[in-house]
Amino acid sequence: GQQLNQSPQSMFIQEGEDVSMNCTSSSIFNTWLWYKQEPGEGPVLLIALYKAGELTSNGRLTAQFGITRKDSFLNISASIPSDVGIYFCAGSSGTYKYIFGTGTRLKVLA
Amino acid sequence: SAVISQKPSRDICQRGTSLTIQCQVDSQVTMMFWYRQQPGQSLTLIATANQGSEATYESGFVIDKFPISRPNLTFSTLTVSNMSPEDSSIYLCSPSGVGGQETQYFGPGTRLLVL
Repeated sequence: GQQLNQSPQSMFIQEGEDVSMNCTSSSIFNTWLWYKQEPGEGPVLLIALYKAGELTSNGRLTAQFGITRKDSFLNISASIPSDVGIYFCAGSSGTYKYIFGTGTRLKVLA
Repeated sequence: SAVISQKPSRDICQRGTSLTIQCQVDSQVTMMFWYRQQPGQSLTLIATANQGSEATYESGFVIDKFPISRPNLTFSTLTVSNMSPEDSSIYLCSPSGVGGQETQYFGPGTRLLVL
């Protein structure tokens, strides 16, 4: 099936560093979602974005809905070891059906 | 958000057998999606299930292999039929439309290993 292009594919960072990842699509979306998945768990919703240009925060996480509606960004500030996991973006054009990104694997070194 | 439970959480099955996965949501939801996540991969949509109508399958997935039931707005099942080792994967249900929002939440997943 179709997937969104997510980058970087993986990241190794030091504790305390900021993290940026992005997701791009060839299609316009009306909604962007960001999830985190830890080993043995289902994806957990972090942030939902509903409007182009929207910037939304959830604690140390900030996500933006790109102005072109074809991309989205997720930033994590001051990373901690428990941020480790796989981060997925997902976009929908308004049909309740989402296309998922390829995932960004984050590892935080203490 | 919604509280979503899946049964079984994991199973080891023999080739040629079938397994039915149950998904229960604590609130009524418009649509139920079923995904597959192969090891180290992203999520791939199998089908969309609405109550009272036949599920809609994505390319590469067929009803004979993955029959789905949606008897009410809080429950759904996915059956993986005539399993082969290639079906080893995580299967996740995902309700959409909780509280009228278009967000999707995920169950904890069912980890299936086919020998």
